[in-house]
Amino acid sequence: ETGVTQSPTHLIKTRGQQVTLRCSSQSGHNTVSWYQQALGQGPQFIFQYYREEENGRGNFPPRFSGLQFPNYSSELNVNALELDDSALYLCASSPDGTSYEQYFGPGTRLTVT
Amino acid sequence: DQQVKQNSPSLSVQEGRISILNCDYTNSMFDYFLWYKKYPAEGPTFLISISSIKDKNEDGRFTVFLNKSAKHLSLHIVPSQPGDSAVYFCAASDSGTYKYIFGTGTRLKVLA
Repeated sequence: ETGVTQSPTHLIKTRGQQVTLRCSSQSGHNTVSWYQQALGQGPQFIFQYYREEENGRGNFPPRFSGLQFPNYSSELNVNALELDDSALYLCASSPDGTSYEQYFGPGTRLTVT
Repeated sequence: DQQVKQNSPSLSVQEGRISILNCDYTNSMFDYFLWYKKYPAEGPTFLISISSIKDKNEDGRFTVFLNKSAKHLSLHIVPSQPGDSAVYFCAASDSGTYKYIFGTGTRLKVLA
């Protein structure tokens, strides 16, 4: 069983640009959650997808959007990047129906200049 | 508004002794609590959890205690080992949302 993987590992973007981060969930996991972790903070919930539908959202603006695909991969898209978007972005996958167990990927470090 | 708080940013403990990491929460709707461990350049790894119907859960060297009236939980590691050195996050959720609220983390250093 492969773990959760994320790409890229690091990314540098300019303010105003758009970015797409990718996550590959564990096989058989139908739920994926995305988190933003700023320096010195705990992960903050962005949103969750279950069977390709958004299933809950945290306190993030609409320029944060996501997609989940049938092959257990997902994307986080951020438009109109701001300097405060610089953070570690984590995805976590969960088995179907038991979302308490979340398996995190290593994260993508995004720097916005 | 920080609903889950870890007031100690760091903790140093001698190898073999007990490590106690604390976490407080404000939302009485939370009914499931988890502890995660995070090493540098890795994602958080699930450590142990507790449901609000219990006040203690034990797994090997790790024990989590929940005091619902005080809205407080703690993680005990005994005996502490150098490999336990990491950042520990507590997280809380209410069963209706499956949305986790994380604390800011406590960096544990176990000294050999």
